[in-house]
Amino acid sequence: QKEVEQNSGPLSVPEGAIASLNCTYSDRGSQSFFWYRQYSGKSPELIMSIYSNGDKEDGRFTAQLNKASQYVSLLIRDSQPSDSATYLCAVNFHAGGTSYGKLTFGQGTILTVHP
Amino acid sequence: AAGVIQSPRHLIKEKRETATLKCYPIPRHDTVYWYQQGPGQDPQFLISFYEKMQSDKGSIPDRFSAQQFSDYHSELNMSSLELGDSALYFCASRLAERYEQYFGPGTRLTVT
Repeated sequence: QKEVEQNSGPLSVPEGAIASLNCTYSDRGSQSFFWYRQYSGKSPELIMSIYSNGDKEDGRFTAQLNKASQYVSLLIRDSQPSDSATYLCAVNFHAGGTSYGKLTFGQGTILTVHP
Repeated sequence: AAGVIQSPRHLIKEKRETATLKCYPIPRHDTVYWYQQGPGQDPQFLISFYEKMQSDKGSIPDRFSAQQFSDYHSELNMSSLELGDSALYFCASRLAERYEQYFGPGTRLTVT
């Protein structure tokens, strides 16, 4: 079982709809959570970071974290065709109180926004 | 804003050859990470450096080595290349007091 799990999709939503992406992680000691967007053949682009329980909003993006349920999600409002990409959930595990910052990624969710 | 720079962007090598990938972090970033991403895979952590010292090591083959220099740039040296080493290699950088990592454009390595 992977340490970070995502639905691989593909997730298809119509333009203007809300896209909901989910991620679960196995290590309760995890402290830092990130969402990256990756277009085919390109590098991961950081779109959201979240560190405490609750919601964090940035423009059309909202990240939600629930540490008790070991669950993090990303909502994309007013989805646009340009949002079509693979969305990677990444977690920074802290082992024994020490974190050197390496990221562990989920397998990614492919999002398609159709006009 | 300045981003992470990687060179070369594309590299074609034959089996058993060596390759050197370079990474120039965002100015003032003191921590560098290397990740490998195979086709259809998520990025896998290889190795990281903080203040020119190796800080963590992941699933990096013994054939690979890396270092961070006094100007904070990093190089990943790969020897005895195998077909399975064909992948995208990303470098990411961060400020030690922040957790966000920013990725470079990557080097696409093809081993034939």
